[in-house]
Amino acid sequence: DDQLTQSPSSLSAFVGDRVTITCRASQNIDTYLNWYQQKPGKAPKLLIYAASSLHSGVPSRFSGSGSGTEFALTINTLQPEDFATYYCQQSCRTPITFGQGTRLDIQ
Amino acid sequence: EVQLLESGGGLVQPGESLRLSCAASGFSFRDYAMGWVRQAPGKGLEWVSVIRDSGRTFYATFVEGRFTISRDNSKSTMYLQINSLRAQDTAVYYCVKTAPYGTGWYGKNDFWGQGTLVTVSS
Repeated sequence: DDQLTQSPSSLSAFVGDRVTITCRASQNIDTYLNWYQQKPGKAPKLLIYAASSLHSGVPSRFSGSGSGTEFALTINTLQPEDFATYYCQQSCRTPITFGQGTRLDIQ
Repeated sequence: EVQLLESGGGLVQPGESLRLSCAASGFSFRDYAMGWVRQAPGKGLEWVSVIRDSGRTFYATFVEGRFTISRDNSKSTMYLQINSLRAQDTAVYYCVKTAPYGTGWYGKNDFWGQGTLVTVSS
């Protein structure tokens, strides 16, 4: 199975900050990498697909980059509603796998 | 508007079986692969299974033959049969729609249901 390792597992930031979450794949997954946001008690929502494409309706302060085995999700100018848990997912091959998640807390 | 509505969760005893359903609307159900993702209490997301538009199925390694995914295109409904339930299967089970991109058939999970809770306990 393709393993995805996110770092950090958690981080604290202020409103207005810029943060970056990384996702490392155990094998080359080209750009078959998606990012999701999940808030407590809610279903996850798609943010970024194909490593760097913004899903419809997602604010432009979210961006993704990377290919192969190294990927990143960057959030510019953090807003209060951005404090949530973020997951990466690889869809290059089955079984599909998720990273363990990164919890973003307000400082 | 795409809607995915799961049902069938509940409290069951270890060793019992359960069938989850996902009723879809707002898109051409038969044209998309559909899947299940679960989340144990306080834990991360765990991919479970997917069924392609062709009917071909794929499962996570941990399934070990206990889960069966199926679909009824005439009812726009997907199912997950879970047998020999274990305490470790306790989780919210989400129904997900896929949307391919590039040359990949799975692509992304662009829509999620609200989830149905399965609790396995004696």
